[in-house]
Amino acid sequence: DTGVSQNPRHKITKRGQNVTFRCDPISEHNRLYWYRQTLGQGPEFLTYFQNEAQLEKSRLLSDRFSAERPKGSFSTLEIQRTEQGDSAMYLCASSSTGFREKLFFGSGTQLSVL
Amino acid sequence: GDSVTQMEGPVTLSEEAFLTINCTYTATGYPSLFWYVQYPGEGLQLLLKATKADDKGSNKGFEATYRKETTSFHLEKGSVQVSDSAVYFCALTNILSNTGNQFYFGTGTSLTVIP
Repeated sequence: DTGVSQNPRHKITKRGQNVTFRCDPISEHNRLYWYRQTLGQGPEFLTYFQNEAQLEKSRLLSDRFSAERPKGSFSTLEIQRTEQGDSAMYLCASSSTGFREKLFFGSGTQLSVL
Repeated sequence: GDSVTQMEGPVTLSEEAFLTINCTYTATGYPSLFWYVQYPGEGLQLLLKATKADDKGSNKGFEATYRKETTSFHLEKGSVQVSDSAVYFCALTNILSNTGNQFYFGTGTSLTVIP
């Protein structure tokens, strides 16, 4: 169990640029989640995958956000035309079907939009 | 919609003091309740859970009881240690709802334990 890995750890970008984050879940976990966390707040749900299928999306996920999980392994979260309000910690978590309620979180990607 | 409200911090305690972090929830049906902990520099990890009314979750000396009558899930520990310093998040998920794969987290309570 190598844990959930997220890259990069930090990303600084200028407003209007596109950014992409990667998440590698625990290998046997078929459920993958993306959350966003801002300072002083708890994680907010963005989207959920079961294997390669994206089954739920939050209304927080505007048209500028897209997530993929090709082949049901790693996942990417892309933000197009970044805005200053996108600055946050982006968290990835995974879990197994047999123990779906135990989320394993990565350390997150901290995005700063200047 | 479903939500969780937890007491604001930060909380500072001396070693061996008693800890309570309050958490109340709003949800339809029968949610499952959780406490997650985030140690400095690490990702969130599950501390304990309870899936039905009157269940008590426990782990590492921490306990929380699912109280449906008061819609609460308060976290307690009888004697805290310096190593318990972390941010604690109350959370719920409502498997039977149409958002059953979403976890709703509170804002987190920062705990610092001083020797």
